[in-house]
Amino acid sequence: AAGVIQSPRHLIKEKRETATLKCYPIPRHDTVYWYQQGPGQDPQFLISFYEKMQSDKGSIPDRFSAQQFSDYHSELNMSSLELGDSALYFCASSLMVDYEQYFGPGTRLTVT
Amino acid sequence: EDKVVQSPLSLVVHEGDTVTLNCSYEVTNFRSLLWYKQEKKAPTFLFMLTSSGIEKKSGRLSSILDKKELFSILNITATQTGDSAIYLCAPSTSYGKLTFGQGTILTVHP
Repeated sequence: AAGVIQSPRHLIKEKRETATLKCYPIPRHDTVYWYQQGPGQDPQFLISFYEKMQSDKGSIPDRFSAQQFSDYHSELNMSSLELGDSALYFCASSLMVDYEQYFGPGTRLTVT
Repeated sequence: EDKVVQSPLSLVVHEGDTVTLNCSYEVTNFRSLLWYKQEKKAPTFLFMLTSSGIEKKSGRLSSILDKKELFSILNITATQTGDSAIYLCAPSTSYGKLTFGQGTILTVHP
């Protein structure tokens, strides 16, 4: 069965640079969620989209922005990167809001 | 502020043992509770519970929710080394946002 696709899988950036993470949800899933998981921590909710509209926002820094496109894929844009942004970024998708979420393999971002 | 507490934080057992993992939560606008298994990669979906008292089962795993006591348990019977992982519980609130607990690290020795 098709799963959530994330790209790139690994990304190394320097401080103050910009990064763009991409997420392709499971086909027919119209809801996308972004989570950040720091080393040894549980995933923290960042932001979500339902039918291309932002549906909820968590502890996402102002330096980050995201959107969902007409084909339902989503991109997380991160600017002025800081060392503390180094983490695993997961995207999850669900058929609709309130359905189970399936996670992608994650993008490991390292900021040096 | 939403709060999710899992216990125990870690558990070491031998193959064949039965384990019970606990999850208590205090969240606003509760919709459902989800359990995930994480093995050094993305969390893998196990169960989604929306109604109290109805047990969900999948092979050796089962889970139940108590919405009155704000509590859920995950049971694993006849554990195997492949069950070694971090088990995460996460209540879902409005718009599907998941708030994760700190997880239970399960180690199953042969």
